[in-house]
Amino acid sequence: GDSVTQMEGPVTLSEEAFLTINCTYTATGYPSLFWYVQYPGEGLQLLLKATKADDKGSNKGFEATYRKETTSFHLEKGSVQVSDSAVYFCALSSLYGQNFVFGPGTRLSVLP
Amino acid sequence: EAGVVQSPRYKIIEKKQPVAFWCNPISGHNTLYWYLQNLGQGPELLIRYENEEAVDDSQLPKDRFSAERLKGVDSTLKIQPAELGDSAVYLCASSSTRGPSSYNEQFFGPGTRLTVL
Repeated sequence: GDSVTQMEGPVTLSEEAFLTINCTYTATGYPSLFWYVQYPGEGLQLLLKATKADDKGSNKGFEATYRKETTSFHLEKGSVQVSDSAVYFCALSSLYGQNFVFGPGTRLSVLP
Repeated sequence: EAGVVQSPRYKIIEKKQPVAFWCNPISGHNTLYWYLQNLGQGPELLIRYENEEAVDDSQLPKDRFSAERLKGVDSTLKIQPAELGDSAVYLCASSSTRGPSSYNEQFFGPGTRLTVL
């Protein structure tokens, strides 16, 4: 079945450092790919998405590119802030958005 | 626009007791999801509704879990009887599969944190 693998956390960075959180997937067909973020005490929020190969999703300084050849969707940000501290989930959606599969999440802590 | 509403936010019960969670999706969203999120893990789908029909309940432990979505709007998830291992966060999400995009964003509620003692 479909699956998503993320790098294990926690990830601890200093403010203004470069962030990469790796995500790879296994799926039949051509899924859409997502990054969700969960701030403490809150529900999951969509951060960005890409619906086809080579698409780049971006939001709030975060970017991820849909790489079909490597089945990856790595999340990057050039300069993290303390307010980016949260848990980040990579996810895929197949069957026209009806079958969502989430990765285990990566906790990010950004220190001032 | 109001988001997905869930209640209660927190629930503490003793094992073998029943418990129910309520979800009100975003207005107009025809698809509703219930997820289970264990500590340190990603959400796992329990059941998905298209309008009032449960179209995917393959991961729902039907011996103790039940769900309903009367009139295709609000939904209730019930556990009876609860077990210690049911302690987790129960998330509700909704989306609209109408419109030009075939891959639609899911909007999540804040979740209900259940503790079974």
